[in-house]
Amino acid sequence: EVQLVESGGGLVQPGGSLRLSCAASGFTFSSYDMHWVRQATGKGLEWVSAIGTAGDTYYPGSVKGRFTISRENAKNSLYLQMNSLRAGDTAVYYCARGVWSGYDYAFDIWGQGTMVTVSS
Amino acid sequence: DIQMTQSPSSLSASVGDRVTITCRASQGISNYLAWYQQKPGKVPKLLIYAASTLQSGVPSRFSGSGSGTDFTLTISSLQPEDVATYYCQKYNSAPRRITFGPGTKVDIK
Repeated sequence: EVQLVESGGGLVQPGGSLRLSCAASGFTFSSYDMHWVRQATGKGLEWVSAIGTAGDTYYPGSVKGRFTISRENAKNSLYLQMNSLRAGDTAVYYCARGVWSGYDYAFDIWGQGTMVTVSS
Repeated sequence: DIQMTQSPSSLSASVGDRVTITCRASQGISNYLAWYQQKPGKVPKLLIYAASTLQSGVPSRFSGSGSGTDFTLTISSLQPEDVATYYCQKYNSAPRRITFGPGTKVDIK
């Protein structure tokens, strides 16, 4: 079964750091782009970061310089190192698999999410 | 950056009704648009990609259309299990980034 399982969420103080993990199974992890997407309670989806199969990384301006995405193909694992956390980073963080379908790009597999709360 | 808007932000319809949700891009994006369904308390699920291609396993009452700047997601006959928030999403290659629309919440009247 194709599956993504996130872990590492929790409560952290503003300015603190947290590292999220995502364990992949059921597919050839190294062959796929991987992403992190977050969702604040009652809000919409926000793309947070991407890592390509070659290790190339991409971020939106809201997290660039604070978050670092990485992958360890030998362990079928995706990571998100989050530094200088702010209250606005409070959200459920999903890992998701990116796939090309024809000429379009979408997320076909999502993990169940891990909650990150930034509060004093 | 290309911005995505959706309308309406929410709607309430009866079982069996035809429901249409619109997603608009601030610039033309060809047919590079996906739709997701997120049921309450659940994980987002890919419904449609490339504007009109149904993901495997998605019921045929869902359909997508559009190209350029205006796109629609249609549910031909609304079912109780379709209660969810629906998001459009576009992929940008340069710079590489993903943008989601703000979502449309669908309820049963």
